[in-house]
Amino acid sequence: EDKVVQSPLSLVVHEGDTVTLNCSYEVTNFRSLLWYKQEKKAPTFLFMLTSSGIEKKSGRLSSILDKKELFSILNITATQTGDSAIYLCAVEIGSARQLTFGSGTQLTVLP
Amino acid sequence: GAGVSQSPRYKVAKRGQDVALRCDPISGHVSLFWYQQALGQGPEFLTYFQNEAQLDKSGLPSDRFFAERPEGSVSTLKIQRTQQEDSAVYLCASSLPGLIEAFFGQGTRLTVV
Repeated sequence: EDKVVQSPLSLVVHEGDTVTLNCSYEVTNFRSLLWYKQEKKAPTFLFMLTSSGIEKKSGRLSSILDKKELFSILNITATQTGDSAIYLCAVEIGSARQLTFGSGTQLTVLP
Repeated sequence: GAGVSQSPRYKVAKRGQDVALRCDPISGHVSLFWYQQALGQGPEFLTYFQNEAQLDKSGLPSDRFFAERPEGSVSTLKIQRTQQEDSAVYLCASSLPGLIEAFFGQGTRLTVV
């Protein structure tokens, strides 16, 4: 059975801290891995990763994929209260065009 | 429209009632997805349309769930004889052809009492 596991389940930090969120997967026919940020209800797209070792970066956020060890990390530097959200990792499997999501990491950034 | 629009935002249904949830995707997005998100969990795939064709309905949990997209634009997810376990946020997403990066709507929170 395809599985996507995120850790930690929740994390509380103070503004300015750096955080690392983890996503590991066991799936057949991996195609790509995506990160989403979910505030309130609508997940918003952050990154899509298909190749190992190539870092994707957007401002204070960055992400990298390791296809040998079957995991990805999402880094957020100099966190701000606006970064508080659930961060979802999802894997696209084969040509199914559906995403298999992890349970998410709830990040809370305190002022 | 500017984004994916879902209605209603909130729905309370009595057990056994039928409900219909609407999704208006981004104009030009031929791919449309429905996901179900239970509290504290990630979204789970329900069904996928390309234009009006329902190409994958493997995630629909029972035959009480039915989705349609008759003209390849607006989609409706219908749940018949709702049960308490159907309580969840129902998310709709759309994307351009060939792209997996989907844009999500705000969702409909369904509570079955």
